[in-house]
Amino acid sequence: DAKTTQPPSMDCAEGRAANLPCNHSTISGNEYVYWYRQIHSQGPQYIIHGLKNNETNEMASLIITEDRKSSTLILPHATLRDTAVYYCIPYGGATNKLIFGTGTLLAVQP
Amino acid sequence: EPEVTQTPSHQVTQMGQEVILRCVPISNHLYFYWYRQILGQKVEFLVSFYNNEISEKSEIFDDQFSVERPDGSNFTLKIRSTKLEDSAMYFCASSIQPAGIRNEQYFGPGTRLTVT
Repeated sequence: DAKTTQPPSMDCAEGRAANLPCNHSTISGNEYVYWYRQIHSQGPQYIIHGLKNNETNEMASLIITEDRKSSTLILPHATLRDTAVYYCIPYGGATNKLIFGTGTLLAVQP
Repeated sequence: EPEVTQTPSHQVTQMGQEVILRCVPISNHLYFYWYRQILGQKVEFLVSFYNNEISEKSEIFDDQFSVERPDGSNFTLKIRSTKLEDSAMYFCASSIQPAGIRNEQYFGPGTRLTVT
């Protein structure tokens, strides 16, 4: 399983863009990069995923480097409700389990 | 928007008792999962289930655990003889497709299990 490195915590001002980095240098060619978040005491929530192209949906944008060794999740206009732990998870191949790390605790400040 | 539901939200039980945690996955999803999160720790995979069979399970999922889809809508996790260390938040999840393809897993709100 590919290992990931994320900063343990980040702050962001409300209304500003939050850029959450993830290093996944051992990701294999068939593994997608998935991002989930977990708001305190709630179930994890799917945000976005990508393989090698940048992706955007109504929640966020995902930028994946050309060598696929790292990615950045962008929340374009963070709100207080975006305060959560964000997980970057390489996922795919033969297994169907998600392996959660410790993630990044994003604190959006008013 | 369809969502995964779980009952009960909180279950308190005595050590050695059996508990059944219930989940209703999203209706057109075919793959079902249980995860758990001990307080302050990572979310851990327990088991995945497809076509009325376990497709994958972790080392945590020993003989004390079992899963079942008793009807067309419910998915249950049974712990036969609970231990103190089973105290955790248990999350059910479902997805429409398997690994390697689009497989966003949608999680329920969790059941907090407290074993005393």
